[in-house]
This record gives sequence, C-alpha cells and structure tokens, in this order.
Amino acid sequence: AQSVSQHNHHVILSEAASLELGCNYSYGGTVNLFWYVQYPGQHLQLLLKYFSGDPLVKGIKGFEAEFIKSKFSFNLRKPSVQWSDTAEYFCAVNSWGKLQFGAGTQVVVTP
Amino acid sequence: DARVTQTPRHKVTEMGQEVTMRCQPILGHNTVFWYRQTMMQGLELLAYFRNRAPLDDSGMPKDRFSAEMPDATLATLKIQPSEPRDSAVYFCASGLDRPENSPLHFGNGTRLTVT
Repeated sequence: AQSVSQHNHHVILSEAASLELGCNYSYGGTVNLFWYVQYPGQHLQLLLKYFSGDPLVKGIKGFEAEFIKSKFSFNLRKPSVQWSDTAEYFCAVNSWGKLQFGAGTQVVVTP
Repeated sequence: DARVTQTPRHKVTEMGQEVTMRCQPILGHNTVFWYRQTMMQGLELLAYFRNRAPLDDSGMPKDRFSAEMPDATLATLKIQPSEPRDSAVYFCASGLDRPENSPLHFGNGTRLTVT
C-alpha cells in the first residue's frame, strides 16, 4: 500500500538548535513531494515542494529539504530554529493527483 | 490573496443530527480535496474531485458521509447521521490539475464537535 511515514511524532528543541525531520514514502513512479506546516490554530501552509531538478529545495522561513530517490526520502531541515517555528509539520506526496499526508511531527521550540 | 473559504468555522451538534460543511475553492482551481484531522489519525483524505467529478472517496465512510460539488464554486461534505467519533477538524483544499503549477491551498477548516 502507498504510504508516507514521518519518523518522529514529537520533537522538542531549544532556539538556535538545528532541526531535521524525516520523511519516507513508498510510492513507485513519479511523485511530487511537499512539506506543509500548521501553526497552532491555523490551516496548513506550504513550506516547500519538489517536482524535479535539483534534489535540494529551499522553502520559506529558512527551511530546506533534500530528496534522495534511492532512499525514498524527503527530509526537512533548518539550521537554526526559532520559537516561532513551533508548529506541526507534515510531509506529503502527490501521486496520480492525490495528496497523501504523513502523520505529522509536532515541533516545540523552547526559548 | 485568493483563499479557500470554509463554513462554518465551528459546529457543535448532537448525535444523530445532519451536518453540512461547505467549501468555496479558489476561483480557477479544478481539484478539491476534503481532509479530516484528528489527534489519533492525523490528516486523512476523505474525498477528492477533479473538474467537479468525484475521483476517490475511498477514505470516507459511505454509510453516513457524502461529498458533492454542485458547481465549480461550491463543495459540500455532509454527515448524516453524525456520531461523536466524527468530531474532528475538516479541511477543504483546492488546487490545479498539474500540481507543479500550484500546490494545494487549504481553508481554515471546520471544527466539528458531536455530543
């Protein structure tokens, strides 16, 4: 079955720490990959996306993600987090027009 | 800035009542998705439409849920009868056929509480 797996359900870290969130998918064929963020009480917003080309993609707010095809992974990174990065982060895969989300990772950044 | 509009924002209802949630996709978008978000299950895809035609509703309990697009500017999700386990936030999202042109844009959601 097609699936999207996020490795961590909860991450707590201090401001200025580096963040890396794992995402693996099990789709075959061509996929489009996304990371969405949901700030407390808000709707989902797109952080970044990968369709083709350079496997290292840069998004908003200093986030980046690397697509590693051989590992079916699309990990999200940020070198130095801020308190305002506290949110839930969702990896998503678009396959045949259907966007499937991972379970999400709740990230809490402490001052 | 174009937005997906969902109504109502909050809905509290008693078990057994019918619930209708509405979504106005962004003008020009031809795909519409309904997602349900709960603490336990995360984001679940319930149904999605392309050019108003339902393409996949396999994630939706068929006995009580129904999703329709009466026209290009309105998508509806109905629950009849509602049950306490339906309590969740329901998100609508719209996009274009070719996702590389436009990722999904989400509405603010409808928070449903069934007592």
